[in-house]
Amino acid sequence: GESVGLHLPTLSVQEGDNSIINCAYSNSASDYFIWYKQESGKGPQFIIDIRSNMDKRQGQRVTVLLNKTVKHLSLQIAATQPGDSAVYFCAENMASGTYKYIFGTGTRLKVLA
Amino acid sequence: DSGVTQTPKHLITATGQRVTLRCSPRSGDLSVYWYQQSLDQGLQFLIQYYNGEERAKGNILERFSAQQFPDLHSELNLSSLELGDSALYFCASSETGTPKEKLFFGSGTQLSVL
Repeated sequence: GESVGLHLPTLSVQEGDNSIINCAYSNSASDYFIWYKQESGKGPQFIIDIRSNMDKRQGQRVTVLLNKTVKHLSLQIAATQPGDSAVYFCAENMASGTYKYIFGTGTRLKVLA
Repeated sequence: DSGVTQTPKHLITATGQRVTLRCSPRSGDLSVYWYQQSLDQGLQFLIQYYNGEERAKGNILERFSAQQFPDLHSELNLSSLELGDSALYFCASSETGTPKEKLFFGSGTQLSVL
């Protein structure tokens, strides 16, 4: 059953369309960012990362964009599939100070058949 | 499969009790992290260990404690449990525990305090 974020923002996308999930991060000193995917009943799974010296990074069907000016990250998923249905989290980290990652509250992606 | 093993998967207990959650990191990873995830909440960092030593502390309650053993497995001890402690507890590991390392998460332990 659902165990994560019953009241998360939800993005509903038609199968085959592109998805864009957004994240506002909190600390302007953060310089490393990760997107995680969490399916129901499972732990977060690494999708893609980006360092602050980059604006864009591409993976397989996924692209992460970083806008440091407005402290914004986005995850683009091309040709969204039913298996992409999950909660997506961004996480930020700083090279200095504490070693902890700060996670966003997440966005639920629902893929409609 | 991330390679991080957490036991047990589910735990049901009563208020006031004490429980221990166990985590085995990925082979080769020296650092372990504990996170708590409640309904409507993101992942809240509790504590991090590196090679047996505490490295960073987050929002961990005094009733909670953790340690990392010489074989690198870690345990999270939760005592005097309250209803609000019901949550998913995740362990993650990384190679050296330094910033800019990917964290690999286990499947979590679902704790229900009744």
